[in-house]
Amino acid sequence: NAGVTQTPKFQVLKTGQSMTLQCAQDMNHNSMYWYRQDPGMGLRLIYYSASEGTTDKGEVPNGYNVSRLNKREFSLRLESAAPSQTSVYFCASSEFRSYEQYFGPGTRLTVT
Amino acid sequence: RKEVEQDPGPFNVPEGATVAFNCTYSNSASQSFFWYRQDCRKEPKLLMSVYSSGNEDGRFTAQLNRASQYISLLIRDSKLSDSATYLCVVSAYSGAGSYQLTFGKGTKLSVIP
Repeated sequence: NAGVTQTPKFQVLKTGQSMTLQCAQDMNHNSMYWYRQDPGMGLRLIYYSASEGTTDKGEVPNGYNVSRLNKREFSLRLESAAPSQTSVYFCASSEFRSYEQYFGPGTRLTVT
Repeated sequence: RKEVEQDPGPFNVPEGATVAFNCTYSNSASQSFFWYRQDCRKEPKLLMSVYSSGNEDGRFTAQLNRASQYISLLIRDSKLSDSATYLCVVSAYSGAGSYQLTFGKGTKLSVIP
């Protein structure tokens, strides 16, 4: 039981490049989330998916798109990366009607 | 005004000390409250939930004051392994069985031998 996994662990992009961050959970959780964490800013919600087939914007959605591929997988796409998107990205999941969120190990992204 | 505010620290305390962290939140509709722990370069993990009646888990005591919109965490007999960043978190229902968490920026604790 791996919990929440994220790939890649590290990534360096040039401005304007695109990439997709992958997230998968094996806990049969309904809800999944993408956060970014920046120094001095705390964790901020980018997008979330309350259940398979639904996605909603969080606090900082601009510049990102998401896909809830199935119940297990929730991906985050950067279409045209910008230096302001340099951050640590965390994926999380939670059971239906549960407060507790379980986080993946994070992806450290640098955009130059 | 930031929704969840914490003293960023750092708090540098000797082993065995008692340390208290405070947090305030602005959204009176917040329904649930938590402390998460985040080790350096790791993901956040739930430390404990916070209830109005107060709750204790070993050396850790959490308290909530809804009227003042204030949350606290007390760590007694600090251990070196308690060194981490402590995140104050509030939750509100966002529909379809999902809750949105709002995180404070965290308070860094270093326990010194």
